[in-house]
Amino acid sequence: SQQGEEDPQALSIQEGENATMNCSYKTSINNLQWYRQNSGRGLVHLILIRSNEREKHSGRLRVTLDTSKKSSSLLITASRAADTASYFCATDVTGGYQKVTFGTGTKLQVIP
Amino acid sequence: ETGVTQSPTHLIKTRGQQVTLRCSSQSGHNTVSWYQQALGQGPQFIFQYYREEENGRGNFPPRFSGLQFPNYSSELNVNALELDDSALYLCASSYPGDGYTFGSGTRLTVV
Repeated sequence: SQQGEEDPQALSIQEGENATMNCSYKTSINNLQWYRQNSGRGLVHLILIRSNEREKHSGRLRVTLDTSKKSSSLLITASRAADTASYFCATDVTGGYQKVTFGTGTKLQVIP
Repeated sequence: ETGVTQSPTHLIKTRGQQVTLRCSSQSGHNTVSWYQQALGQGPQFIFQYYREEENGRGNFPPRFSGLQFPNYSSELNVNALELDDSALYLCASSYPGDGYTFGSGTRLTVV
């Protein structure tokens, strides 16, 4: 079963525009992570935001976390064709061992 | 600092056979997690190993088993392969509380 769900499932934008992807989850978390996956290969870790953080930046990426709404968003500013990929949110669930559960993903296409 | 290496990259097996997939951990990481990703889906958690012990398991049958070695590398074994086992198998190493470093995956096709 999926802990998180990304929205939208697919997004197509022009190069230079901003892309926003949202993630909702169901249970309390230790942290939430965003990953990128190109063409069905390995996932690349983008950013980790802990449950006591509200916003985090890394280069052109901005992640927000609202634990009261159990939601997060990933903003990619000034998108490039190379940003074309699937993006997944993943939650590290509170309690027990570190179990990171992935959402269903957003497929982003950036048109040159 | 080395990344995570998975082998083989591609594999074709016949239904009923057994398969072993291998994964090396990134230096400094003591936790390995395995995921199965069907086409168009998010990765599904199979199990996790921490310091050579299975630390947690997802909703997969016992014919999915694993090992972690003293150098923190790991194996995933699948017995009695079924057609639905065809997927991308991903290995990730980590240090507790940190993000995961993934390998490039093994694409398994069961015919």
